[in-house]
Amino acid sequence: GAVVSQHPSWVICKSGTSVKIECRSLDFQATTMFWYRQFPKQSLMLMATSNEGSKATYEQGVEKDKFLINHASLTLSTLTVTSAHPEDSSFYICSARVMTEQFFGPGTRLTVL
Amino acid sequence: QKEVEQNSGPLSVPEGAIASLNCTYSDRGSQSFFWYRQYSGKSPELIMFIYSNGDKEDGRFTAQLNKASQYVSLLIRDSQPSDSATYLCAVKGDYKLSFGAGTTVTVRA
Repeated sequence: GAVVSQHPSWVICKSGTSVKIECRSLDFQATTMFWYRQFPKQSLMLMATSNEGSKATYEQGVEKDKFLINHASLTLSTLTVTSAHPEDSSFYICSARVMTEQFFGPGTRLTVL
Repeated sequence: QKEVEQNSGPLSVPEGAIASLNCTYSDRGSQSFFWYRQYSGKSPELIMFIYSNGDKEDGRFTAQLNKASQYVSLLIRDSQPSDSATYLCAVKGDYKLSFGAGTTVTVRA
């Protein structure tokens, strides 16, 4: 299957700082990438859909000014959590669509102190 | 009503037995259905997808879909300890995948 990478795999930051997470499609071009968040013992919740060369589409309740998404190339999408707070601590996972299937990156565990 | 519902489990089965996982969904217009496996601390990996009513088999896994009942299931035959994980049912609507909360399966050696 298609390979999606994420960097970093984990990050610890202080409250109020910003954190950037990268999502790359390694062996294919992805015009559409998705960003999910997963809290412990809960399911994946879609945050936004990232389209190359255009603005991301955010799900209801997700603050677009807090979670900045950039999809500048066909192989890279970034999610920046601005002014992070402890409640933003979560497992962030990106995925890319290939035809009708979605392949997930390994995830980034964010801990905000 | 949640879009995709699963029993959270845990579902405990002995090694070699069949594990049966169930999922119901609310959007009758859904066309694509997926089962993902997620190990603790890892991201989901696709096991199977199914589009048509009936059964679809892939190795030890069989997915079953009944659109009239809005029901999809996954059977794991000859369960192995390595199958111990959380299994996520996902349903594709217009543009996005909606996930169930997952069923945790433990296979006892």
